[in-house]
Amino acid sequence: EVQLLESGGGLVQPGGSLRLSCAASGFTFSNYAMIWVRQAPGQGLEWISTISASGGSTYYADSLKGRLTISRDNSKNTLYLQMSGLRAEDTAVYYCAKDLSPQAWGQGTLVTVSS
Amino acid sequence: DIQLTQSPPFLSASVGDRVTITCRASQAITSFLAWYQQKPGKAPKSLIYGASSLQSGVPSKFSGSGSGTDFTLTISGLQPEDFATYYCQQYNSYPLTFGGGTKVEIK
Repeated sequence: EVQLLESGGGLVQPGGSLRLSCAASGFTFSNYAMIWVRQAPGQGLEWISTISASGGSTYYADSLKGRLTISRDNSKNTLYLQMSGLRAEDTAVYYCAKDLSPQAWGQGTLVTVSS
Repeated sequence: DIQLTQSPPFLSASVGDRVTITCRASQAITSFLAWYQQKPGKAPKSLIYGASSLQSGVPSKFSGSGSGTDFTLTISGLQPEDFATYYCQQYNSYPLTFGGGTKVEIK
């Protein structure tokens, strides 16, 4: 069974940084691109980043470019999202998901940016 | 960027109804379109990929159609567990984009 488990969310002050992790199991992690999607309270889904299976290619939403770094450790079956310069509008549930049209999603981790 | 416009944004329906949700892309995306169901406080659940292919384990009352710029998701015989918000997503090109969602409510 495919499982994705995010961690690392929490309360952070404006301007702060956070690293989210997503532990994957139940599939050959190194064979799949992975994405991060976020959902602000009461809002829709927003794609924010993709990393290729090898980690050699990365893509970011323009609105967040420069503040995000996506990475992966295929030896640890783990996906990461480093976020910096956090703003109140970054408050959201952050989901990791397998592949570009994901069948498998994590349960989400809540990031709250507030002083 | 490819914009996805879903309609209607809200849909009121009764148990047993057949409902159709539309997703229109601002430019052609061939069949690189997926549909998701999301219930409050839960992660999205994949229903359809490739515009019309049913994900494993998803009941056949869900069906998708379309190509190019116009797509539909049809739910036949609505059941109480189907009342949720539905999103389309294109994965033809970056940035990946989602539609604004359609909330299906009980009439």
